[in-house]
Amino acid sequence: GQQVMQIPQYQHVQEGEDFTTYCNSSTTLSNIQWYKQRPGGHPVFLIQLVKSGEVKKQKRLTFQFGEAKKNSSLHITATQTTDVGTYFCAGLVRADSWGKFQFGAGTQVVVTP
Amino acid sequence: KAGVTQTPRYLIKTRGQQVTLSCSPISGHRSVSWYQQTPGQGLQFLFEYFSETQRNKGNFPGRFSGRQFSNSRSEMNVSTLELGDSALYLCASSLGTEGQPQHFGDGTRLSIL
Repeated sequence: GQQVMQIPQYQHVQEGEDFTTYCNSSTTLSNIQWYKQRPGGHPVFLIQLVKSGEVKKQKRLTFQFGEAKKNSSLHITATQTTDVGTYFCAGLVRADSWGKFQFGAGTQVVVTP
Repeated sequence: KAGVTQTPRYLIKTRGQQVTLSCSPISGHRSVSWYQQTPGQGLQFLFEYFSETQRNKGNFPGRFSGRQFSNSRSEMNVSTLELGDSALYLCASSLGTEGQPQHFGDGTRLSIL
């Protein structure tokens, strides 16, 4: 079953507001990546977090990796219409000798002007 | 540098048929992963190839298979197609070391009638 859960599934945001999407794993992750998929497009890599408690910022986007490396969050401030799309987290899970990425189901973001 | 190229972009098949999808990775990338994307399910990992060897696989039935050639190009085959196989199939390439960012192609939209 799905090991990496992502909430919320949908997020309607007024332009200028902030929002957060959360990613939770049942197992410890080696690292976590975030991707953005615009409508009709393909996922595009945003960032990777590796260390416990790591925080990274990209302009209005703030990414966090939990202390236990089982959860992560993406916070967007002052949402703009260009933020529309689906945001996926992908956790690196090591079950055998080589890790594989487990993607969350994504948070679809709709921005109203 | 050219991105990941997937062909064909669209395919329509009927139940029971088989299909082959192709993926050309970014030059220099040795790892190719395949994902199935359906609404609400996010990206489901099919398998990963590295240096012509399957390095990892997801939980899909044996009807789904793949291979990688010496030039890192990869193909995915689905036999005995079922209605539930209708999806967007995405290919992603990376350098090959564990946990590297993945670069996605535009996908092949497969519709089963």
